[in-house]
Amino acid sequence: QQPVQSPQAVILREGEDAVINCSSSKALYSVHWYRQKHGEAPVFLMILLKGGEQMRHEKISASFNEKKQQSSLYLTASQLSYSGTYFCGTDSSGTYKYIFGTGTRLKVLA
Amino acid sequence: DAGVIQSPRHEVTEMGQEVTLRCKPISGHDYLFWYRQTMMRGLELLIYFNNNVPIDDSGMPEDRFSAKMPNASFSTLKIQPSEPRDSAVYFCASSPLRMGWTVNTEAFFGQGTRLTVV
Repeated sequence: QQPVQSPQAVILREGEDAVINCSSSKALYSVHWYRQKHGEAPVFLMILLKGGEQMRHEKISASFNEKKQQSSLYLTASQLSYSGTYFCGTDSSGTYKYIFGTGTRLKVLA
Repeated sequence: DAGVIQSPRHEVTEMGQEVTLRCKPISGHDYLFWYRQTMMRGLELLIYFNNNVPIDDSGMPEDRFSAKMPNASFSTLKIQPSEPRDSAVYFCASSPLRMGWTVNTEAFFGQGTRLTVV
């Protein structure tokens, strides 16, 4: 099953914070996060492993709650360049078969 | 390295025609993935290979779709015959993922092939 992301869309002002959630109906081995700008390919942000630490990429961080089968992406002091669609990719079998979530469209306004 | 290279970037074809999409992964990457992206379904995993061997093709929508990886530097996704509902952006991605003790790493995506079937 495709993991569900929330919210579906969010609009921010520069400097504001946002949280994007990714929930799976299955236990997870790992979670990837990607950002895709319009007309471009998805670009990797970070990976979270089962039992691993919270990860950071510049002012973006993410956590992985294995019990709740979910991951959250935290965007701090958002910048215009953060605009795009964010996808989580989940591996619930440990075989690197990543299934992407429904996506969250993020728009940062000046 | 030039990254993952896909061709063509755009393809317009008539219903019923055969379509072949091509992908050159990053040298040294063991895993290759084919994804399809549409507004309705988002990013769907179609099939993935490890060391040129198909591991899981459960995402391939129908028998009209087939994928091959004859060597480590080339893969094809073929649709025969094509239908208008196959219109989408098809992405190929490669990854240096390893089994066992080493840590997962990212998947590098190609720029995609935008397929339009009329």
